[in-house]
Amino acid sequence: AQSVTQLGSHVSVSEGALVLLRCNYSSSVPPYLFWYVQYPNQGLQLLLKYTSAATLVKGINGFEAEFKKSETSFHLTKPSAHMSDAAEYFCAVSDRGDSNYQLIWGAGTKLIIKP
Amino acid sequence: GAGVSQSPSNKVTEKGKDVELRCDPISGHTALYWYRQSLGQGLEFLIYFQGNSAPDKSGLPSDRFSAERTGGSVSTLTIQRTQQEDSAVYLCASSPQSGVNSPLHFGNGTRLTVT
Repeated sequence: AQSVTQLGSHVSVSEGALVLLRCNYSSSVPPYLFWYVQYPNQGLQLLLKYTSAATLVKGINGFEAEFKKSETSFHLTKPSAHMSDAAEYFCAVSDRGDSNYQLIWGAGTKLIIKP
Repeated sequence: GAGVSQSPSNKVTEKGKDVELRCDPISGHTALYWYRQSLGQGLEFLIYFQGNSAPDKSGLPSDRFSAERTGGSVSTLTIQRTQQEDSAVYLCASSPQSGVNSPLHFGNGTRLTVT
């Protein structure tokens, strides 16, 4: 069965520092992987996705994630945090490309930016 | 443009009462999804509608939960005889198509509290 683990329910970084949000997954077949972001008082929106093309995926707002099959990881990074990055981030995995609703979601990581 | 709209944004109800949650998807989106997000947990799939096809109800936790989508647009999620464990944020999402290349567009959710 598929599963997603996000390490750390809360991550705090200083403005300008590196952001690293961890996501590990389990899947018996090559996965589709996603990061969604929920800004305060807004609905979740797609940040980036991996669908078996390039292993390094670039998303919106300067975020990127790298698919590492050997580590079963899809960690989200940003070189320099900005106050506007404060939000909750969700990692999700699917082993099917034909249906979004099969996504398995992580519990989310709340990113806190310190001035 | 208009996004996914959910109402009410907050609902407090007494145990045993019925509640109806409404979702108005983005116009033209054929796929509609309901999820439940409990505190500290990832999104839990409830039900999926795709066009005029029969919905996938495999995620509904009990027969107290039901949903309908009228005219391929607005959807209502009904919870009968609410229990305290039903307290959660109920999220609706829509997408133009059902595959993973079609990102989910989420509403802001309905926070349900059962007292």
